[in-house]
Amino acid sequence: DAKTTQPNSMESNEEEPVHLPCNHSTISGTDYIHWYRQLPSQGPEYVIHGLTSNVNNRMASLAIAEDRKSSTLILHRATLRDAAVYYCILRDVGRGSTLGRLYFGRGTQLTVWP
Amino acid sequence: KAGVTQTPRYLIKTRGQQVTLSCSPISGHRSVSWYQQTPGQGLQFLFEYFSETQRNKGNFPGRFSGRQFSNSRSEMNVSTLELGDSALYLCASSFLGNTEAFFGQGTRLTVV
Repeated sequence: DAKTTQPNSMESNEEEPVHLPCNHSTISGTDYIHWYRQLPSQGPEYVIHGLTSNVNNRMASLAIAEDRKSSTLILHRATLRDAAVYYCILRDVGRGSTLGRLYFGRGTQLTVWP
Repeated sequence: KAGVTQTPRYLIKTRGQQVTLSCSPISGHRSVSWYQQTPGQGLQFLFEYFSETQRNKGNFPGRFSGRQFSNSRSEMNVSTLELGDSALYLCASSFLGNTEAFFGQGTRLTVV
């Protein structure tokens, strides 16, 4: 699976927007971009995913570069509850070898200050 | 809709023993995946089951095994436990295995 690169850590103040970057320069045409997050002492939680167009849901927005080699997860107003490790993952859903399988890197540890 | 349920939440076992962990997926989900999480290695994929068949397997020794029942519930078994097996074991369910996955809270296994 194509590799992603994320900063090890980022910080934000409460109620400010947060932009979490992810580079995936070797992305293939059939790779979907997924984001998960893991709060302390919990299992990972699905956040959002997209293929080419920007996506919005109740948790966040996903902005995908036109060449798809990078993406940004946007939390519009960070809360203390958003402090977590955020994982950017590529999924080629057409390949049998990736069925049921997510490749987690080290992710970005987001710290939110009150 | 109930989430993914893993039991037990905590376990302490002795080296050489075996252990069985259980996972109940979200109703209607047929894919169940297992992951091991340690501070040193992060989240690593163990295996995935779909309709009682193992479809994918990670790079773990044969001491790690699993199965899935007709109601999609899954169990994983670790035999001859080693100290290095101490970890958080996470189960994830999804509808077909290629859509978003929903994780349980995990089972914290400590081997002493």
